[in-house]
Amino acid sequence: DTGVSQDPRHKITKRGQNVTFRCDPISEHNRLYWYRQTLGQGPEFLTYFQNEAQLEKSRLLSDRFSAERPKGSFSTLEIQRTEQGDSAMYLCASSIPGIREKLFFGSGTQLSVL
Amino acid sequence: QKEVEQNSGPLSVPEGAIASLNCTYSDRGSQSFFWYRQYSGKSPELIMFIYSNGDKEDGRFTAQLNKASQYVSLLIRDSQPSDSATYLCAVIPALIQGAQKLVFGQGTRLTINP
Repeated sequence: DTGVSQDPRHKITKRGQNVTFRCDPISEHNRLYWYRQTLGQGPEFLTYFQNEAQLEKSRLLSDRFSAERPKGSFSTLEIQRTEQGDSAMYLCASSIPGIREKLFFGSGTQLSVL
Repeated sequence: QKEVEQNSGPLSVPEGAIASLNCTYSDRGSQSFFWYRQYSGKSPELIMFIYSNGDKEDGRFTAQLNKASQYVSLLIRDSQPSDSATYLCAVIPALIQGAQKLVFGQGTRLTINP
């Protein structure tokens, strides 16, 4: 499978717990994005990496959120002290940067905070 | 004003008819425009992209771009029940300090009635 891979597909957690999601991009893609999508809305940008450098973080991303991309390969998104408002689909996408950039999405991680 | 606006629908079209989906964007310097299809509970799938004014056809799909009016549309000919999904319009706004990211509309829910 050469697509974007995300793990886990579903995560149910209790409020206050920490969760971590993983994304493995398409191998030749050096740009990686995290988006969040709630029901009835389009995906909202959270952050992105070019290789291992985190180039931008959305103001949506509170201090409880952190993302890493060590060695410019897979990425992790951690949410500390989860809140019910964090319940959403977390989508990872990868691309080759440029004016003709196209993003390809993974299957997403559906987070439910009880 | 939202950066990318779509009518959330639902849009209901009889099988075999043409479905027309519309999107407007606010950043006049936007360069790249995309249509993603998203089935319920699944991640967005890229179906069309367009960069230049005019029409671009791919099978039953036609994307139309009018930069002067800041308007992009998607036509689906010979609509099939399998086309029932949410269609997300996405735009890469003008290049600002090297940062580019995809901005999505909220999506239009399309239902094709047999």
